Amino acid sequence: NFMLTQPHSVSESPGKTVTISCTRSSGSIASNYVQWYQQRPGSSPTTVIYEDNQRPSGVPDRFSGSIDSSSNSASLTISGLKTEDEADYYCQSYDSSNVIFGGGTKLTVL
Amino acid sequence: QLQLQESGPGLVKPSETLSLTCTVSGGSISSSNYSWDWIRQPPGKGLEWIGSIYYSGSTYYNPSLKSRVTISVDTSKKQFSLKLNSVTAADTAVYYCARLLQITIFGVVTPRYFDLWGRGTLVTVSS
Repeated sequence: NFMLTQPHSVSESPGKTVTISCTRSSGSIASNYVQWYQQRPGSSPTTVIYEDNQRPSGVPDRFSGSIDSSSNSASLTISGLKTEDEADYYCQSYDSSNVIFGGGTKLTVL
Repeated sequence: QLQLQESGPGLVKPSETLSLTCTVSGGSISSSNYSWDWIRQPPGKGLEWIGSIYYSGSTYYNPSLKSRVTISVDTSKKQFSLKLNSVTAADTAVYYCARLLQITIFGVVTPRYFDLWGRGTLVTVSS
């Protein structure tokens, strides 16, 4: 199995743009789709990006996803930050039939 | 609107078996478009996938938990269940049930993303 490594925390000011990385330890990041989940305190996770760069209906276009083969990583970018974006964010991918989650990144909007 | 609801004891003694059930309401559990999964989150920590089951009964488990986990489905009750045996304090967590959307192309089933989650239930392992 591979691992997905995320920064423990990031912080940025309202209105700015932040990018959260998710680095795959072995194998190509492009081999399996990457998803991103948002988890606000006390709530269940919700999907903000699926299949690398697709947004479910209802997710604002301030959220975008991408992958970079050169760094073997995926990224979640949130533009026009709002205080409501403050949450934990998890990347997720697949290894055969197994589901792999990253360790999570706490986003602080201050 | 389809909903998932976890139920089961909130306190389990060490070495015993943790048993949880997820009830699907407002929709069908018998669809090849989904697998039904368990995910847990220890207090203050990240998400850990436990395993999946399809309505056909096929199962997939996290290799790190495989020796202790059983997931089953009862389509007549629209429920799927988790059993985790020989629990320790390290198994204390919020346990979520979730639906994993699948896509089948030319007979190959590919997972997409978790599109529905239960609210989660805290299970504490303590004597």
